[in-house]
Amino acid sequence: NAGVTQTPKFQVLKTGQSMTLQCAQDMNHEYMSWYRQDPGMGLRLIHYSVGAGITDQGEVPNGYNVSRSTTEDFPLRLLSAAPSQTSVYFCASSSLLQGVKTEAFFGQGTRLTVV
Amino acid sequence: SQQGEEDPQALSIQEGENATMNCSYKTSINNLQWYRQNSGRGLVHLILIRSNEREKHSGRLRVTLDTSKKSSSLLITASRAADTASYFCLSYNQGGKLIFGQGTELSVKP
Repeated sequence: NAGVTQTPKFQVLKTGQSMTLQCAQDMNHEYMSWYRQDPGMGLRLIHYSVGAGITDQGEVPNGYNVSRSTTEDFPLRLLSAAPSQTSVYFCASSSLLQGVKTEAFFGQGTRLTVV
Repeated sequence: SQQGEEDPQALSIQEGENATMNCSYKTSINNLQWYRQNSGRGLVHLILIRSNEREKHSGRLRVTLDTSKKSSSLLITASRAADTASYFCLSYNQGGKLIFGQGTELSVKP
């Protein structure tokens, strides 16, 4: 098992460019989510998904789109990057076992700089 | 706003001392998880405590959960310099969102 795989690890974008951060898990987890981590702000939820075809907004969704066409993949799209989106991004997945949510597994993070 | 609030925000202790970090949350939960993050690195799962558990141990870690006060604490006993990291609590809120606390930055001086 690879767990949660996030790519790329580092990315520099120019303002206005678009890109997709990839997240894949091989544990058949229903729940997947994206976070951004900024100094002094902790980790904040951007978007999440409770299963294929279902997504919802987190605390800071503006400027980001997601889709969940398969159980394994949950890409995060920046349509027009802004310097305010400079951050470290983490993807997570977890499962639901007998009605109880399990331990969350995290990717290694993507360090994004928008210039 | 975030589900969990943690205190202290920063904690500095000497090696061998115990470190206690607290997390409060706002809504009812299934379980609460604690994670460690070394500077600039990924998140490492430490321990999960279910809502029907009051205390759980794992090595030098002890976690308590008080659902009446909506709070949890993480105790690290006999701390080591290698325990220097940020510690976060993580829980699902009523809407099913997995939300982090602000985190406690622990510094253990040799």
